[in-house]
Amino acid sequence: DVKVTQSSRYLVKRTGEKVFLECVQDMDHENMFWYRQDPGLGLRLIYFSYDVKMKEKGDIPEGYSVSREKKERFSLILESASTNQTSMYLCASRAPGLAGGREQFFGPGTRLTVL
Amino acid sequence: SQKIEQNSEALNIQEGKTATLTCNYTNYSPAYLQWYRQDPGRGPVFLLLIRENEKEKRKERLKVTFDTTLKQSLFHITASQPADSATYLCALVRGNEKLTFGTGTRLTIIP
Repeated sequence: DVKVTQSSRYLVKRTGEKVFLECVQDMDHENMFWYRQDPGLGLRLIYFSYDVKMKEKGDIPEGYSVSREKKERFSLILESASTNQTSMYLCASRAPGLAGGREQFFGPGTRLTVL
Repeated sequence: SQKIEQNSEALNIQEGKTATLTCNYTNYSPAYLQWYRQDPGRGPVFLLLIRENEKEKRKERLKVTFDTTLKQSLFHITASQPADSATYLCALVRGNEKLTFGTGTRLTIIP
């Protein structure tokens, strides 16, 4: 059974803190994605990675960075958390090839609150 | 930029009836369109994918249509059940393998 796991379901941080969100997949997928989901705005892509050490900005990368040192792990970093980064963060992975013709597998999400 | 609209934020359907959800898009011609289901507090789960050269795709009680002229996809659940209650998301596949998601329709099946 394929699985994408995220390090925390709920997280509360203070403004200015550095925050790490971890995502691990066991499907040997090359492609991994980080989204945030907000009411009325849907899922928006923050960053994605085609392979180890490769990353590309998504639609809303400002205030975020990512790290992919191993194929199975993709980390999202909030360098200095702000209240407008309070959101649900979702990680996904996908097998490569058949551009668009493959599903994305999502983790359970991390609900981050920045106070 | 690409824009996706799912016409209803919420939809209530009587159990046993067919639920029909709409996804409209502009400023893009996607080669693929995907539908996902999301339960509260959980990540989306893939349901169906349809290609631009397919008019219709079926999977058990689910049916998806794709009209590239109208720039619209319809998602149908026949013989709906309370367990079908969830938020349903459509997603356009962009040329570089990224997805653009709609905001979703929250479907409630009333017993």
